This record gives sequence, structure tokens and C-alpha cells, in this order.
Amino acid sequence: AQRVTQPEKLLSVFKGAPVELKCNYSYSGSPELFWYVQYSRQRLQLLLRHISRESIKGFTADLNKGETSFHLKKPFAQEEDSAMYYCALFTGGGNKLTFGTGTQLKVEL
Amino acid sequence: SAVISQKPSRDICQRGTSLTIQCQVDSQVTMMFWYRQQPGQSLTLIATANQGSEATYESGFVIDKFPISRPNLTFSTLTVSNMSPEDSSIYLCSVENRFAGASNEQFFGPGTRLTVL
Repeated sequence: AQRVTQPEKLLSVFKGAPVELKCNYSYSGSPELFWYVQYSRQRLQLLLRHISRESIKGFTADLNKGETSFHLKKPFAQEEDSAMYYCALFTGGGNKLTFGTGTQLKVEL
Repeated sequence: SAVISQKPSRDICQRGTSLTIQCQVDSQVTMMFWYRQQPGQSLTLIATANQGSEATYESGFVIDKFPISRPNLTFSTLTVSNMSPEDSSIYLCSVENRFAGASNEQFFGPGTRLTVL
């Protein structure tokens, strides 16, 4: 069965410091991975997806099939990056998303 | 992107009662989903709401407890039946619009926060 693991419940960094939110997955098929973000008092929204290979709000994520990872990175954290981040795996057979438990990112001044 | 609204936004209910949550989308979408997010937990898919047919439930969720309707391509309801305190959770509706191409991207509603006493 598919699984998504986000080992850190809370990650606290200082403004301007690099950020790395870890995500590992388990899936026997070809994975499609996403990062979703939920800012305070806002709904869950898509941040980026691995097939787009783009940078959104300075964040990037590279799919590493060898390590079954999809870590989210940003070189310089900003205060507005404070939010809850969820890694999600799409499994085509069931047309569904499997979410990790989420990491709360707190950027301190 | 789709604009999704949910009603009610929150409710406090007595055990043994039922609550129906509505999800309305501003455009026709192919796929609609219902998730549950229990306190301190991640999102768990309850079921896929199929237009014109019975919903497809995930393991651990049954129709008697979570009946779902989807009468058209813009609306769905989820009922939480015979509630107990363990049903206290945030219930989220999401949609995927394959009319716009096979993106696999889901858009989420604001959620319904349910507390069962």
C-alpha cells in the first residue's frame, strides 16, 4: 500500500535560513507527488507538483526515486512561509491522493 | 481553478444525531472527494463522490455511516450518521477537474469543523 512519511511535525527556522521539509514515500507504481500548503485561516492549496519542475514562492522539490523522497526546499526562509505543509502522493489506480501527516513550519525573526 | 464552498462551516452536535455537509463548486467538475482530518492527524480520504451512482468508499469507511450524494457535476453532500465524539473532525470537500485536462490536481473547500458532544 502507498504511504507518505513526513518525519517532522514542527520545523522552526530563522528568517533568511535555508528550509528543507522532508517527505518520503512508499509506492510500487510510478509516483506523482505534490506539496500542499495551508496558511493560517486559509484553505489547503497546491504549492507545487513534481512534474512541473517549477519554483513556486522560492520553493523547489525534486523527486528522487532512488531515495523515494520529495523534499521541499527554499534557500532563504521568509516570515510569510510559516504554514502547515503536506506532502501528497497521487496513485493513478485509485485516482486518489495520500497525504503525509504534515509539517508545521515556523519562521522566526 | 475551482471555487468551492462548504456548509456549515462548523457545528456542534449531540451524539446519536446526524449532520449533512454540503459542498458546492462554481463550475462543473469531474471528480469530487470527501476527506476527514481528525485533530492532530493528516487528511484521510473517506470516499469519491460519483455523479449519478454510488460513492466509492475507502477502507474503513462505509455507506451506512457516511452516506454521500452527488446529484450533479457541481454539488455533493456528506452525511455523518449516528455521531459519536470520535467523529469530531474537520471534513473537507475537494474537486479535480478533468474537463480542464488530466492534471490530478485537487482543489479544496474551506472545511467543516464538527464537534460531537
